[in-house]
Amino acid sequence: KAGVTQTPRYLIKTRGQQVTLSCSPISGHRSVSWYQQTPGQGLQFLFEYFSETQRNKGNFPGRFSGRQFSNSRSEMNVSTLELGDSALYLCASRQTGNTEAFFGQGTRLTVV
Amino acid sequence: GQQLNQSPQSMFIQEGEDVSMNCTSSSIFNTWLWYKQDPGEGPVLLIALYKAGELTSNGRLTAQFGTTRKDSFLNISASIPSDVGIYFCAGQLIQGAQKLVFGQGTRLTINP
Repeated sequence: KAGVTQTPRYLIKTRGQQVTLSCSPISGHRSVSWYQQTPGQGLQFLFEYFSETQRNKGNFPGRFSGRQFSNSRSEMNVSTLELGDSALYLCASRQTGNTEAFFGQGTRLTVV
Repeated sequence: GQQLNQSPQSMFIQEGEDVSMNCTSSSIFNTWLWYKQDPGEGPVLLIALYKAGELTSNGRLTAQFGTTRKDSFLNISASIPSDVGIYFCAGQLIQGAQKLVFGQGTRLTINP
């Protein structure tokens, strides 16, 4: 079974631009969550999607948004990028009713 | 955002030694998860704990869910070079939700 796949692996964007990151969960997993990892703040929860609906949201500004498609694939969008948005963005998927979250390799976003 | 207090922040040990790390919180958690992250990769799930007092092993790894539900520890016995990495604890506050709260991580370095 393939693991969680995130694309792209690396991204460099300019301040003020927007970016879209993609996540394909493990086959059969309908829940997808996104996390931001930075050296200063560690791993912070962004949001969770299940059956195309956002179920939980972390404490991030509205510039961070996401969506989930009918095949459970998810995208995350960050608009009006700031230097502080530079981070490793991680996607995790899990089976319905199960807590165990499986992470992808992440997308390393650098904002210059 | 809310974080778990994970200690120690870093450890420098000799190959073959045992390792112990723990996480504490002021909040009660339903589930504790332990992850290992290698450079440039996403966290890999090591052990999941679901009940207060539960003790679970995975090879040389042993983890326990504290009886107060506010703490957990991870032990690694007879460390080997491939154990090098950053270990994270994560707690689930809300049953059924994927919103995990992470510790700051313990960086393990092993001298051969």
